[in-house]
Amino acid sequence: SQTIHQWPATLVQPVGSPLSLECTVEGTSNPNLYWYRQAAGRGLQLLFYSVGIGQISSEVPQNLSASRPQDRQFILSSKKLLLSDSGFYLCAWGPPSSYNSPLHFGNGTRLTVT
Amino acid sequence: GNSVTQMEGPVTLSEEAFLTINCTYTATGYPSLFWYVQYPGEGLQLLLKATKADDKGSNKGFEATYRKETTSFHLEKGSVQVSDSAVYFCALNRGGADGLTFGKGTHLIIQP
Repeated sequence: SQTIHQWPATLVQPVGSPLSLECTVEGTSNPNLYWYRQAAGRGLQLLFYSVGIGQISSEVPQNLSASRPQDRQFILSSKKLLLSDSGFYLCAWGPPSSYNSPLHFGNGTRLTVT
Repeated sequence: GNSVTQMEGPVTLSEEAFLTINCTYTATGYPSLFWYVQYPGEGLQLLLKATKADDKGSNKGFEATYRKETTSFHLEKGSVQVSDSAVYFCALNRGGADGLTFGKGTHLIIQP
């Protein structure tokens, strides 16, 4: 069966420090991968998605970037964190043919920028 | 464009009460519809889904029926428990690689 791993679970970082969040998927090939952010209002904001190695689509211009160095690895990064980057970050995967398919989420990373 | 609208709450009910969380959508074509549940501090878990009109998704006592005529996918449960307290998200998939369109979530609180 497929599983998704996301780490770390919690992170406290000072303003201006770099960020690297990692997500890996097991048990499937060529998944679509996603990074969402959930701010205090609970809504989900799509940040990035990827349909293949090295292919990144950005939904919202911001202080963050994403990379997909391997088929089942998705990384969220920042060179210098802002206070507004605080939030709950969720990685998700879906099959390549996604019409009837749900997304499957990791357990999330709680990021607090101080 | 595509959108999902749901009551934000919080919705507060007593244990064993009947639950309805409304969800309506706007989309081109025939999207698939989903309900997710998020417990405190956790990621989203798929609760149920429906892929075509009049389909009924069900899981753990929850049900939702895909109503194309009213563009709705309301979540129902006959008798809620304290353990059902969570945030519930309605979502649609129109088939693009950019994933699901989510509602803003409904915070459900069940009191003993």
